[in-house]
Amino acid sequence: DAKTTQPTSMDCAEGRAANLPCNHSTISGNEYVYWYRQIHSQGPQYIIHGLKNNETNEMASLIITEDRKSSTLILPHATLRDTAVYYCIVRVATSYGKLTFGQGTILTVHP
Amino acid sequence: DVKVTQSSRYLVKRTGEKVFLECVQDMDHENMFWYRQDPGLGLRLIYFSYDVKMKEKGDIPEGYSVSREKKERFSLILESASTNQTSMYLCASSFESGYTFGSGTRLTVV
Repeated sequence: DAKTTQPTSMDCAEGRAANLPCNHSTISGNEYVYWYRQIHSQGPQYIIHGLKNNETNEMASLIITEDRKSSTLILPHATLRDTAVYYCIVRVATSYGKLTFGQGTILTVHP
Repeated sequence: DVKVTQSSRYLVKRTGEKVFLECVQDMDHENMFWYRQDPGLGLRLIYFSYDVKMKEKGDIPEGYSVSREKKERFSLILESASTNQTSMYLCASSFESGYTFGSGTRLTVV
């Protein structure tokens, strides 16, 4: 699985958009970009994933650059409950095998 | 919604005890996983199973075993608990390309 690089921490004001970047310059053609988050003392939660097109669901949007070497997770209207550690993971789309988590980005949403 | 349920939220056990952590999923997923999470070390895979009665070692299997007698249930066993096994334990099951995690069991071994 390709390695990812994320900022250690970010801040965001409540109600504003939170844009979380992820670099994955060694991504392969068959690898997807996944985002998970982990709220304190809970298990990680799946947010969104994509291959090369931008994706949107009820939780977030995922923007992947044309060369696929980086991506941005967007929480359009951050709330205090979005304060969490956000993990960007790159891997092939299979249910088999482990999910490898890096250190992630600690997002703090302020009132 | 898929649910992955871990039987205990908090557990306190004594050194040397045999400990069972139970995990049940309700969506007929074939693959199930046990991770532990420690500050500064992130999530580390202990064991996983891709079918009933099948198991594979993860990155840190020492001191642990697992059991998968039914598809929906995946148990983690600490044969003789030690203080260095104090941790948050997370169970997950996978579907297509995504994973669903349980809420975790915080185990303290004293």
